[in-house]
Amino acid sequence: EAQVTQNPRYLITVTGKKLTVTCSQNMNHEYMSWYRQDPGLGLRQIYYSMNVEVTDKGDVPEGYKVSRKEKRNFPLILESPSPNQTSLYFCASSLLQTNTEAFFGQGTRLTVV
Amino acid sequence: AQSVTQLDSHVSVSEGTPVLLRCNYSSSYSPSLFWYVQHPNKGLQLLLKYTSAATLVKGINGFEAEFKKSETSFHLTKPSAHMSDAAEYFCVVSGNTNAGKSTFGDGTTLTVKP
Repeated sequence: EAQVTQNPRYLITVTGKKLTVTCSQNMNHEYMSWYRQDPGLGLRQIYYSMNVEVTDKGDVPEGYKVSRKEKRNFPLILESPSPNQTSLYFCASSLLQTNTEAFFGQGTRLTVV
Repeated sequence: AQSVTQLDSHVSVSEGTPVLLRCNYSSSYSPSLFWYVQHPNKGLQLLLKYTSAATLVKGINGFEAEFKKSETSFHLTKPSAHMSDAAEYFCVVSGNTNAGKSTFGDGTTLTVKP
């Protein structure tokens, strides 16, 4: 089954403790992206990757890092999480960088206390 | 630069009546436009997309949208609402030469009353 898998689905952590949210897709898509969703703000793009070893900032990259060492995986790293990073995070992939349907993971609800 | 404005944060309709969710966009390039739906506690699912072919786009579950360049709009419609349509809807603009950025609107919550 074609899918985007995020882990974990739920995470509560403390300020400053490094964490990684994993994202994996099995569709051989070139393009992957991370978003955060906050009430009333829609989804805002954090980082995106157009192919292996190619990543770029979205609209809200501060406090986040990503890597794309292999095509299927695109982890989101929070080196020193802060409470304002409490949010619902979505990973997405698509065949090409734009103009094609994006497939979304089920989301990761992160709480930073 | 690109931006999306969803003109209504909440829309409420009765079952069986038409649905209209409004979206205006701004883009420096010829845009690709999408509508996604998000049901409670779920990920996002594509409803339909416009990518410079026919201006009237048909999607899943009876939804359609019309691209109007002169009005910079991409409104989503459905002739008859069903209870299962209750969800949050996002309009998205993606520039085909704007190097990978996708911009989402703030979302419209659709409520369907019995």
